[in-house]
Amino acid sequence: DSGVTQTPKHLITATGQRVTLRCSPRSGDLSVYWYQQSLDQGLQFLIQYYNGEERAKGNILERFSAQQFPDLHSELNLSSLELGDSALYFCASSREFTSGRDTQYFGPGTRLTVL
Amino acid sequence: DQQVKQNSPSLSVQEGRISILNCDYTNSMFDYFLWYKKYPAEGPTFLISISSIKDKNEDGRFTVFLNKSAKHLSLHIVPSQPGDSAVYFCAASDFSGNTPLVFGKGTRLSVIA
Repeated sequence: DSGVTQTPKHLITATGQRVTLRCSPRSGDLSVYWYQQSLDQGLQFLIQYYNGEERAKGNILERFSAQQFPDLHSELNLSSLELGDSALYFCASSREFTSGRDTQYFGPGTRLTVL
Repeated sequence: DQQVKQNSPSLSVQEGRISILNCDYTNSMFDYFLWYKKYPAEGPTFLISISSIKDKNEDGRFTVFLNKSAKHLSLHIVPSQPGDSAVYFCAASDFSGNTPLVFGKGTRLSVIA
């Protein structure tokens, strides 16, 4: 158990809909990262928050947004969903903000299926 | 353009033998490399890392080798155990540590008893 929790585990929805994925980091971790893993793809970095502020942005679509709340949990909002958004979405957390050096601890992921 | 490549999608090894997983990178700014292991229905877990100032780092049965001139790293598992069966991801970052990790697509290792 990494200490990172993600809800829900599975989500099935229709094209055009909006969903929210939730992540609670490990106790004491200030950084939260969101990744997308599509079929046969590696982990694609989406966005990082550090202590409530956006720290780094990857190839995140404009239809996607995220935030980190004062209690450090984070939410990833996906809107106007398309079939291609079906993927595993992982959240990770780390102590500091240097994402390249700091060990990241991953949650179990949310599997999103868009029909 | 993939900056971190794991060209073998899968690998099968007999229990007790050596498993060698390979990773190539193209960005010469990368100087810190990590391996993550992922079991089904779980998130990736950190396994081992290496900085570019070293060419080898060992942790128990796991050793990572780095060849900077070839932009190549490999993970050796000796001896391989059935519990090592998982997907292994190679990841890299640059010297600043401020850019996000770049992951490869992963190699699925199957250790056969």
